[in-house]
Amino acid sequence: NAGVTQTPKFRVLKTGQSMTLLCAQDMNHEYMYWYRQDPGMGLRLIHYSVGEGTTAKGEVPDGYNVSRLKKQNFLLGLESAAPSQTSVYFCASSYGGVGQPQHFGDGTRLSIL
Amino acid sequence: KNQVEQSPQSLIILEGKNCTLQCNYTVSPFSNLRWYKQDTGRGPVSLTIMTFSENTKSNGRYTATLDADTKQSSLHITASQLSDSASYICVVSAKPGGSYIPTFGRGTSLIVHP
Repeated sequence: NAGVTQTPKFRVLKTGQSMTLLCAQDMNHEYMYWYRQDPGMGLRLIHYSVGEGTTAKGEVPDGYNVSRLKKQNFLLGLESAAPSQTSVYFCASSYGGVGQPQHFGDGTRLSIL
Repeated sequence: KNQVEQSPQSLIILEGKNCTLQCNYTVSPFSNLRWYKQDTGRGPVSLTIMTFSENTKSNGRYTATLDADTKQSSLHITASQLSDSASYICVVSAKPGGSYIPTFGRGTSLIVHP
């Protein structure tokens, strides 16, 4: 019973490099989310999806792109990484929207030098 | 602007003692308030959800309260255990039609000492 799986768990990038974070869920959830968590701040929503083929901007979308080609997967891309994107990234999924509990992965720790 | 403020920022208690964590919010129009527990190095896990009509809900040793008039919630932990050491996050969501984006508090870091 995997739940929400994020890969990779850790990554170090140089400024300007690109990479993709992968989130996979096996609960047949419609909604998926990407957050970032920085020291002293609450989780902030980057992008979210309300179903396969859909994406929407969250609170802090600049510098990130996402895709939801398959229901179970939600990809977060950094086209040109910047030191300000150093953070812990969490993916979550939920059966519905408002009112439904979100199930989180264990995070990807990303450092950009 | 929607905001969620949690207090205290951190708390240290002895095993077996009780404690109460606070959450004040300005999210409007209010839909629900959820408390999450986040262990170090892990993702948050939902503890309870409170809707407008509910004022108390329990989950084992965790009891959440909600006062929708004053826009305050509390999470009470009874007979604390070492495994309760974690960050506790208050999250408030607006009704559909309002901002879909949930607003997260910064969390209260709880340390339980033996």
